[in-house]
Amino acid sequence: DAKTTQPPSMDCAEGRAANLPCNHSTISGNEYVYWYRQIHSQGPQYIIHGLKNNETNEMASLIITEDRKSSTLILPHATLRDTAVYYCIVRVFNDYKLSFGAGTTVTVRA
Amino acid sequence: DVKVTQSSRYLVKRTGEKVFLECVQDMDHENMFWYRQDPGLGLRLIYFSYDVKMKEKGDIPEGYSVSREKKERFSLILESASTNQTSMYLCASSLFKSSYEQYFGPGTRLTVT
Repeated sequence: DAKTTQPPSMDCAEGRAANLPCNHSTISGNEYVYWYRQIHSQGPQYIIHGLKNNETNEMASLIITEDRKSSTLILPHATLRDTAVYYCIVRVFNDYKLSFGAGTTVTVRA
Repeated sequence: DVKVTQSSRYLVKRTGEKVFLECVQDMDHENMFWYRQDPGLGLRLIYFSYDVKMKEKGDIPEGYSVSREKKERFSLILESASTNQTSMYLCASSLFKSSYEQYFGPGTRLTVT
């Protein structure tokens, strides 16, 4: 699987959009981009995934660049409950394993 | 909502003890997973089960075994606990083997002294 690079931490103001970048320059054509998050003392939670088109669900939007070498997770209106570690991973769709790196620690401030 | 529960949030055991970690899911999922999560090493798959009594080794199965006698329950067994098995253990389940979404339990923080 391709590796990803994320900033170690970022702050965000409550009510503002949080834009979380992820670099995956070695992604291959059959690999998807997934985002999970892990709130303190909880298990990881799926957020969204995509291949090459932008995706949106009730939690977030995923913007993938045309060359697929990077992506951005957007939390449109961050709340204090969005404070968590966010993991960007890439994997082949039929691979059942999840493997997280260090992720980005996002702190939403009032 | 899918619910995955784990038998303990915190557990302290002594070296050499046999340890059982239990996981139960309530959504009739075929697939269940055991991971461990360590600072600097991230999340790593220990074992995976795709049906009752069926299992596959993950990336780090050494020192662990698993049991799945019922569809909803997946147990992780440490036959003889060692200090290097001190970790956060996470159970997950999914509807399909390669589902994009795995549902995780809250985790068990195991300390082996």
